[in-house]
Parts: sequence; structure tokens; C-alpha cells
Amino acid sequence: AQSVAQPEDQVNVAEGNPLTVKCTYSVSGNPYLFWYVQYPNRGLQFLLKYITGDNLVKGSYGFEAEFNKSQTSFHLKKPSALVSDSALYFCAVSSLERAGANNLFFGTGTRLTVIP
Amino acid sequence: GAGVSQTPSNKVTEKGKYVELRCDPISGHTALYWYRQSLGQGPEFLIYFQGTGAADDSGLPNDRFFAVRPEGSVSTLKIQRTERGDSAVYLCASSLGSGLNTDTQYFGPGTRLTVL
Repeated sequence: AQSVAQPEDQVNVAEGNPLTVKCTYSVSGNPYLFWYVQYPNRGLQFLLKYITGDNLVKGSYGFEAEFNKSQTSFHLKKPSALVSDSALYFCAVSSLERAGANNLFFGTGTRLTVIP
Repeated sequence: GAGVSQTPSNKVTEKGKYVELRCDPISGHTALYWYRQSLGQGPEFLIYFQGTGAADDSGLPNDRFFAVRPEGSVSTLKIQRTERGDSAVYLCASSLGSGLNTDTQYFGPGTRLTVL
């Protein structure tokens, strides 16, 4: 069965400092990994995804994520946090584990607060 | 271009009533997904359409939930005999529909359903 874990409900970081939001996954077969961000009263916005190839994936708004197969992780990172990055972040996984299934499995989310 | 739109943005109904939630996907996207997001949780998959047909409805919680997409564009999620436990944000997403799990899903702003 597919699953995603986001071990931290809340992450606080000072503006200008690097940020990391953690994600680990469990799938049978090759994982396809996604990060989304959710602002209050808005839908999910796509940030980046890993399909294959380079383990370091760059996405929107200066975010990047590193795929680590041995640790089954896909942590989201940004070198310098902005107050406007404060939001709820979701990691999601998809795979070919179940034929015909195209849906995403989401973690429970991590609330990022960037402190001015 | 226009993103995924959902109407209404908010819906309040009484227990036992019938509701319809509408989703208008990005033009040209053949795949459409419905998810449900309860408070403090990540989105949970309900149903996936490829064109007009439901390719995967394994996430529908019971037979009170039904969705259609008669012309392969707009979709309607229908909930009969609503229960208080159905209260959640219902999210719709669309993707190009290549049939691959690697497609990026783009989400609408959601419909917040409250069952009194």
C-alpha cells in the first residue's frame, strides 16, 4: 500500500534562514513524488515533482526537493525563507502499484511559519 | 489561462438533503479527479475520470456518493442523504490525461460543504 508521512505538523523558521519540510514515502515500485502548497481558503498549488533522473528537483518560488531512494525521502527545501512562504505544505506520492490508478496519496501536511 | 473552477465555494445544507458540487477543469484536460479534505488532514482520493468514464471510483466512501462527467469536461459530484460526517472541503483537480501517473494535477479552490 502507498503512504506518505510528514513527521512534523509545524515548522518554524526565521526569515532569511534555510528551510526544510520533511517527507518520507512507502510504495511498491517506482515512486512519483509531488509537493503542493496550500494558502488559507485556497486550493492546492503545485510546487514541483520528481519522476526520474536527477535527484535534485527545482520548482516554483525558489523551492527544491531532494529524492533519496535509500532513505525513501523527498524533503522540500529553500535556501532563504520568506514570510510569504508561510503556508501549509503537502507531500504526495503516486505509483503504478495498482493498475489504472492515477490518484495521489497525500501526507497530513506541515504548517510552515516564517518569522520576520 | 483559466484554472480549475468549482462552484459553489460554500454550501450549507441540512442532514438528509441532496447536494451537487460542480467542477470545471482546465480546457483540454481529459483527466479529472475528486478529493475530499477534512479538517487537519491531507486530501483523500474519491474518484478519477478519464474522458467521460470513471476510470477509478475506489475512493468513494459509500453509495451515497456519485459523480458524473457526461461530456468529458464539467463534472458533478452528487451526495445523497447527506450526513454530518460528510462536512469537508471537496477538491477537484484536472490533468492532461496521458494515462501516466506522472501527470501534474492542478487543483481548484474547493467547495466547503457543511452539513448541519
